[in-house]
Amino acid sequence: EPEVTQTPSHQVTQMGQEVILRCVPISNHLYFYWYRQILGQKVEFLVSFYNNEISEKSEIFDDQFSVERPDGSNFTLKIRSTKLEDSAMYFCASLKQESDIYTFGSGTRLTVV
Amino acid sequence: AQSVTQPDIHITVSEGASLELRCNYSYGATPYLFWYVQSPGQGLQLLLKYFSGDTLVQGIKGFEAEFKRSQSSFNLRKPSVHWSDAAEYFCAVGRNNNDMRFGAGTRLTVKP
Repeated sequence: EPEVTQTPSHQVTQMGQEVILRCVPISNHLYFYWYRQILGQKVEFLVSFYNNEISEKSEIFDDQFSVERPDGSNFTLKIRSTKLEDSAMYFCASLKQESDIYTFGSGTRLTVV
Repeated sequence: AQSVTQPDIHITVSEGASLELRCNYSYGATPYLFWYVQSPGQGLQLLLKYFSGDTLVQGIKGFEAEFKRSQSSFNLRKPSVHWSDAAEYFCAVGRNNNDMRFGAGTRLTVKP
C-alpha cells in the first residue's frame, strides 16, 4: 500500500537554527498538509498546500514557517529560526482529492535544545 | 467554531474487557467524524470514519463507533481489548481536511 514517507524520523537542533523537515507524499496525490503534535497535546493543523501554493494556514504557521514542493516529489516544511516551543512531532499528510481521507506519514520528532 | 472533547485523558482496561472511549464535538453542521490511533513513535492510523448514513460504523481491528446526533457524541467501542490495542486514540471532526480538528487524545493502557 502506498505510504507517505517522512525523513528524518528524529531531528535534534539547537535553538535559532534552521531545520527542514521532508515528506514524500504518495505519487499521484495533489493536496499536502503539515500537522504538528506537541508532546502530550492534541494534533494541530499547520498548513495546506495545493497547486504549488498555500491554500490555508493556521495561526501557528507564522513567518518562521514556510513550505515548498521543490521538485514535484518532496514536500518540505522549513522552520527558519527554531524555538524551544517548536519541539513537537510533525506529521505530513497527502490526498489525491479533497474528499479523500488523509494518509499520514509516521512523523518527524523535532527536538529543539 | 468546531471543537472536539475527549473527556478521558487516560484509561486502563484489562485484556479481554470491553472498551469505550468518549468523544463529544461541537460543530455547526453535520460533521465528518474520525477516530485515529497512534502507537508510540508512530504516525496516525485511521480506525474508522463517519460521513453519513448508518450511525454505527465499523472500523479496522474490531473497533466500531456510534454517531449520536442528539448527544453530539461519537464514542469508540471494542468488545474485547487486546494488549496490542494499547496506544493513543484521537477523535477528529471536520467537514473537510482544512478545518479538521483533533481532540486531545485518550491514552489506553491494557493490563494483562
